[in-house]
Amino acid sequence: DTGVSQNPRHKITKRGQNVTFRCDPISEHNRLYWYRQTLGQGPEFLTYFQNEAQLEKSRLLSDRFSAERPKGSFSTLEIQRTEQGDSAMYLCASSLLKQGTETQYFGPGTRLLVL
Amino acid sequence: AQKVTQAQTEISVVEKEDVTLDCVYETRDTTYYLFWYKQPPSGELVFLIRRNSFDEQNEISGRYSWNFQKSTSSFNFTITASQVVDSAVYFCALTRNAGNMLTFGGGTRLMVKP
Repeated sequence: DTGVSQNPRHKITKRGQNVTFRCDPISEHNRLYWYRQTLGQGPEFLTYFQNEAQLEKSRLLSDRFSAERPKGSFSTLEIQRTEQGDSAMYLCASSLLKQGTETQYFGPGTRLLVL
Repeated sequence: AQKVTQAQTEISVVEKEDVTLDCVYETRDTTYYLFWYKQPPSGELVFLIRRNSFDEQNEISGRYSWNFQKSTSSFNFTITASQVVDSAVYFCALTRNAGNMLTFGGGTRLMVKP
């Protein structure tokens, strides 16, 4: 059973550029979450999907951020017109919601540096 | 609103010492879940335990044990006979109810010295 995978693992970009991250969840997991973690802090929730439906978005998720999960499989997180404040680790987690309970399993993260 | 507080930002111990990581939470929900995750230097969050609000039994798994006390809204984590490999950042987290986003504490960095 392979775990959650994320690509790329590292991304360096210049301010104003667009970036896209990919997350492949554990197979058969119906929920997929995105979090952002800055240095020395705990992860903060961004958004999540149940199958292909995006059910909740944090106020942290500005209009420059968009996430998709076509066909309820992998997910992408795009940041448009990146800013230096977007520099962070972007974490993806997946879970199987079953009988009202779930445990989120995390991928290795994508570390973004905006110059 | 939910909140998780890990007052200890950094703890340093010598190998074989026991260490307890504190976690205090706030929630208005009667049903909720508490978690601990480990984040080693590689960066990946590793799930350690999940506990629901109706189960106050303490749990032991090898050198790890957890003490959940609803009366004090605490969910503390103890590592017995710590090892260098235990060095990591440990996060306590809370879900509002089953199947929801995690609210994390700020983490406790544990350094175990040989």
